[in-house]
Amino acid sequence: SQKIEQNSEALNIQEGKTATLTCNYTNYSPAYLQWYRQDPGRGPVFLLLIRENEKEKRKERLKVTFDTTLKQSLFHITASQPADSATYLCALEDGGGFKTIFGAGTRLFVKA
Amino acid sequence: EADIYQTPRYLVIGTGKKITLECSQTMGHDKMYWYQQDPGMELHLIHYSYGVNSTEKGDLSSESTVSRIRTEHFPLTLESARPSHTSQYLCATESFWRGEADTQYFGPGTRLTVL
Repeated sequence: SQKIEQNSEALNIQEGKTATLTCNYTNYSPAYLQWYRQDPGRGPVFLLLIRENEKEKRKERLKVTFDTTLKQSLFHITASQPADSATYLCALEDGGGFKTIFGAGTRLFVKA
Repeated sequence: EADIYQTPRYLVIGTGKKITLECSQTMGHDKMYWYQQDPGMELHLIHYSYGVNSTEKGDLSSESTVSRIRTEHFPLTLESARPSHTSQYLCATESFWRGEADTQYFGPGTRLTVL
């Protein structure tokens, strides 16, 4: 069955450093992959989408890579700030174009 | 910030009660979704809709129903609430239009507790 794996352990980094989060998937050939941010008690907020024919995409301090051979996406936040502290969810199109499958997310803490 | 509204934001009810969670949007998006999320866990799709009079079941749909009579409104009903329904319920929308498709916009959620 389709499966998304994100590191369940929280990531703690110092302000100003680059945070790198990993998303691995199995039994998929998704047409695109997305990253969302979720704050406690709130709904997810869309950050970036990268398609299967794209290797890398950037938006301000955010960078996403998509390796369809390794079945892995890396999400980077450069010059991290305490305000970046949140849970980051990886999501993939289910292969049929009808539904999106979400990972459980990785909690990021940025210390001042 | 997307214009998606969910009511109530918090609800505490007793076992066996019938409840309806409301979701409305002002963006005119055709696709709408209901997800269930427990703390620290992934979102599970309950129901989705491609437009008016369209409803489809997701992974956790067996104990709930939805309707889509108007584009902007997508209510979720639990006929008989149980403690296992205690969770966060998230409504989301998505546009069909090229350039906006494949991105979901989420509401603030309803936190349901069934005693």
